[in-house]
Amino acid sequence: AQSVTQPDIHITVSEGASLELRCNYSYGATPYLFWYVQSPGQGLQLLLKYFSGDTLVQGIKGFEAEFKRSQSSFNLRKPSVHWSDAAEYFCAVGAGTGFQKLVFGTGTRLLVSP
Amino acid sequence: DGGITQSPKYLFRKEGQNVTLSCEQNLNHDAMYWYRQDPGQGLRLIYYSQIVNDFQKGDIAEGYSVSREKKESFPLTVTSAQKNPTAFYLCASSSQRGAEAFFGQGTRLTVV
Repeated sequence: AQSVTQPDIHITVSEGASLELRCNYSYGATPYLFWYVQSPGQGLQLLLKYFSGDTLVQGIKGFEAEFKRSQSSFNLRKPSVHWSDAAEYFCAVGAGTGFQKLVFGTGTRLLVSP
Repeated sequence: DGGITQSPKYLFRKEGQNVTLSCEQNLNHDAMYWYRQDPGQGLRLIYYSQIVNDFQKGDIAEGYSVSREKKESFPLTVTSAQKNPTAFYLCASSSQRGAEAFFGQGTRLTVV
């Protein structure tokens, strides 16, 4: 069965510092991979997605992610974090045939210190 | 504006009562989904529908029911059989295979 692991429950980063959020997936075929962000009490917003092609994917708000098949990873990065980036981040893999049933990781809560 | 509308944002019910959460989309998407979110558990799929008048159970369908009579609407009923209904419920839709899901703003259900 498909699964997603986000090993870090919480991460604290100083404003202006770089960020990397880890995501490992388990899926038999070439995956569809997504990163979403959620502010408290809100829905999820798509940051970026990987379907095929270039393994380095650019997203909104200055985020990028790199797909590494050999490591089954899809880590999210940002070179300089802003206080407004504080939120919860979810990695997801598209599973099954037909329309996407997204399987989500448990999320990583990002705290930004001044 | 195109998007997904969930209502109400907050919902309170007494234990033993059924309650229906509304989800409407004007994105012309074929697929719609219901997820449940609990702290520390990420999102878990309750039901999904790929076409009108058809839907499939997700990973945690017990105690829930859905209908898909119109393309735009996918209401979720939380029945009295659901043991722990208090949670944040998210509705989503997508247009085709491989496309990302778009999410509503969620409904927080509290059962007392």
